[in-house]
Amino acid sequence: QITLKESGPTLVKPTQTLTLTCSFSGLSLTSTGEGLGWIRQPPGKALEWLALIYWTDDKRYSPSLKDRLTITKDTSKNQVVFTMTNMDPVDTGTYFCAYRRDGILTDWGQGILVIVS
Amino acid sequence: SFELTQPLSVSVALGQTARITCGGDNIGSKNVHWYQQKPGQAPVVVIYRDSNRPSGIPERISGTNSQTTATLTISRAQAGDEADYYCQVWDNTIGVVFGGGTKLTVL
Repeated sequence: QITLKESGPTLVKPTQTLTLTCSFSGLSLTSTGEGLGWIRQPPGKALEWLALIYWTDDKRYSPSLKDRLTITKDTSKNQVVFTMTNMDPVDTGTYFCAYRRDGILTDWGQGILVIVS
Repeated sequence: SFELTQPLSVSVALGQTARITCGGDNIGSKNVHWYQQKPGQAPVVVIYRDSNRPSGIPERISGTNSQTTATLTISRAQAGDEADYYCQVWDNTIGVVFGGGTKLTVL
């Protein structure tokens, strides 16, 4: 059974850097086709993909935000760390990590609400 | 840039059939996945690669994909189907692309 859980600050100030951790179990992130991504959702709005890291350590970022984003993995700790710099109130929302297998986001964490104020 | 277009809302009478569309340039050439999200919960995949159901998803939920439109069909709609639905594809230039989401209301 795959489980994912997001952790990090729930309140950040404008201009600060947000660092979130996704802790996972039931997957290795070392097998062909595996990936883990971050998606956010402003209150009452749609899902927005942010970043993705593959089992090969290849990384992909949303083109509109790539200058602010970093994603890394530590498979020995079963964690993926996501950072977003220069936070703004418009970045307020729920941030999800999700397991990607063969192109499908098959498993999601419960999400963490981050407020920028 | 590649975009996916969904209607903001769809309404369906209890027991009837709801269809939610997802439009995109040549979407028929891509694998489309559909997610259901209920209030306060994380999304759950209900259809993957156009028309495949994960285990536990009822047969009355189905998907098709042709040329410019992918469609999620929910037959015999139930109150428990009320949710937001998102289509998603992978674009080689952008990465993961989500549609804007459709709110399904069961009347």
